[in-house]
Amino acid sequence: DQQVKQNSPSLSVQEGRISILNCDYTNSMFDYFLWYKKYPAEGPTFLISISSIKDKNEDGRFTVFLNKSAKHLSLHIVPSQPGDSAVYFCAASGAGNQFYFGTGTSLTVIP
Amino acid sequence: DGGITQSPKYLFRKEGQNVTLSCEQNLNHDAMYWYRQDPGQGLRLIYYSQIVNDFQKGDIAEGYSVSREKKESFPLTVTSAQKNPTAFYLCASSHWVEVAGGLGEQFFGPGTRLTVL
Repeated sequence: DQQVKQNSPSLSVQEGRISILNCDYTNSMFDYFLWYKKYPAEGPTFLISISSIKDKNEDGRFTVFLNKSAKHLSLHIVPSQPGDSAVYFCAASGAGNQFYFGTGTSLTVIP
Repeated sequence: DGGITQSPKYLFRKEGQNVTLSCEQNLNHDAMYWYRQDPGQGLRLIYYSQIVNDFQKGDIAEGYSVSREKKESFPLTVTSAQKNPTAFYLCASSHWVEVAGGLGEQFFGPGTRLTVL
């Protein structure tokens, strides 16, 4: 049973525009969320995280928003750049250190 | 410089053979993890280890075994009992935090692609 879901397998955005990647979760005990970026044939790299005590965390061009009541988080990338083209995974954890990953969204930024 | 390494990058195995994937980290992390990734699926946890000489099953541990004799090393053995072993295997490490919400982001190795012939 998938506890973390990314319902959009792919997304295409023009360079300079905003990319919005979405993630939903089902377990109300999750209180720490992360986004990872993955290039083909490489391991994921950490991008940004958010704790459930916040509803927004910003790091440069990347902002993560958390809506606890809707059990939804989103990653905004603005402005989008061709180098942002990758697969993005969201992950969530509750008590303990086991992370649950979504299925990923493949972002293509068109120059 | 610190990091996490996996070897080999590509591995081919005949049916019925056991094979061991290597994972080493010099980040002084307590916790280490093994995931597998299949096309169209997220990362699924196979095993994880909080400290040396201790490890726990993840969601898909059947057909796999691990050991944690040293803090830096967490090898994964894919046994002949694993019915569908062809996949991309990722090792990760992190600091172990007792309270959720603290530092816990995982650092991943480059992965090993295992193909069963």
